[in-house]
Amino acid sequence: AQSVTQPDIHITVSEGASLELRCNYSYGATPYLFWYVQSPGQGLQLLLKYFSGDTLVQGIKGFEAEFKRSQSSFNLRKPSVHWSDAAEYFCAVGAGDTGRRALTFGSGTRLQVQP
Amino acid sequence: NAGVMQNPRHLVRRRGQEARLRCSPMKGHSHVYWYRQLPEEGLKFMVYLQKENIIDESGMPKERFSAEFPKEGPSILRIQQVVRGDSAAYFCASSHDSSSDEQYFGPGTRLTVT
Repeated sequence: AQSVTQPDIHITVSEGASLELRCNYSYGATPYLFWYVQSPGQGLQLLLKYFSGDTLVQGIKGFEAEFKRSQSSFNLRKPSVHWSDAAEYFCAVGAGDTGRRALTFGSGTRLQVQP
Repeated sequence: NAGVMQNPRHLVRRRGQEARLRCSPMKGHSHVYWYRQLPEEGLKFMVYLQKENIIDESGMPKERFSAEFPKEGPSILRIQQVVRGDSAAYFCASSHDSSSDEQYFGPGTRLTVT
């Protein structure tokens, strides 16, 4: 069974600073990987996804993530954070290669942005 | 193109009552997923349905919970005889046909059991 670990429960960065949110997964084969963002009281919005190919994927809102198989990681990055990026971020893994569609989510990282 | 729609957005039920949560997938999507988010936790998969079929219910509690996605109309997640531990946000997602297609999430239904 797959699992996802987001080691940082809460991160605070200054506006304009760079950001990296960590995500480690456990899955036997090549996973399908996702990053979602959730604003308070809202649903989840997909930031980016990795299925195969180039290990550096670009997403919306200036986010990118890099798949590193050797480290079982899929960390999310942004070079310059904006105040509107304050939200909760979830990493998820899917076993799409098996045909099973259920996503397994990490417990989330809450991002606070200081002015 | 309207996104995934869920209603009601907020639902309050007393212990022992029934809760019905509705989800209308995005236009053109025939796959629906239900997830539950407990306070301060990530989302946990409950069930995956296609029209008139339950494909994967490995995350559904064995008792009191049921889901359907009829030929016509929205998908329904039904919780009978609710208890306080059922208080959570319930999210519906939908996707297109391929297993590599991303899931689009609705705004959720926040269930409070008093």
